[in-house]
Amino acid sequence: AQSVSQHNHHVILSEAASLELGCNYSYGGTVNLFWYVQYPGQHLQLLLKYFSGDPLVKGIKGFEAEFIKSKFSFNLRKPSVQWSDTAEYFCAVTANQAGTALIFGKGTTLSVSS
Amino acid sequence: ETGVTQSPTHLIKTRGQQVTLRCSSQSGHNTVSWYQQALGQGPQFIFQYYREEENGRGNFPPRFSGLQFPNYSSELNVNALELDDSALYLCASSLTSGSYNEQFFGPGTRLTVL
Repeated sequence: AQSVSQHNHHVILSEAASLELGCNYSYGGTVNLFWYVQYPGQHLQLLLKYFSGDPLVKGIKGFEAEFIKSKFSFNLRKPSVQWSDTAEYFCAVTANQAGTALIFGKGTTLSVSS
Repeated sequence: ETGVTQSPTHLIKTRGQQVTLRCSSQSGHNTVSWYQQALGQGPQFIFQYYREEENGRGNFPPRFSGLQFPNYSSELNVNALELDDSALYLCASSLTSGSYNEQFFGPGTRLTVL
């Protein structure tokens, strides 16, 4: 069965610090990869996605993620975080088949102090 | 364009009762997926409906059932409620089924079982 691991449960950073959130998945076939964000009091929304092609994908609000197939990883990065990036971040995967269930990691809470 | 809406926002039930949660999909979307998010966890896939038919199911018992209507809105029904059913229930709609389609999430229904 597919699974997603997010290694950092809670990350605390100061504004302007760089961010990297780890995500590893287990699945032997072709996958689609996603990062979702949930700002306080708001819906889950898509930050970025990878289906194929360039393994470095750029999303909204200056976020990017790199797919490293050999490491089964899809880490999220941002060079300089802002207070407004305080949120819960979820990595998710779907198998590139008929099934469309998103399999989520447990999430990482990011707290940014100004 | 109206996004995904869910009702009610909050619900309190007692063990053994039954509950129905409702979801209106985003305009033009024919696929609805339901997820359960327990406290401190990532969302877990319950099932998906595509054009009024169940199109995939996660590891949830049969007392979790659903419906999709001709207007593509959907219901999640849970019978014989248990304490562990306390969670945030998320509905997500997508343009169609298939793992390439972005899922747009609603705000969720917070269910508390006493």
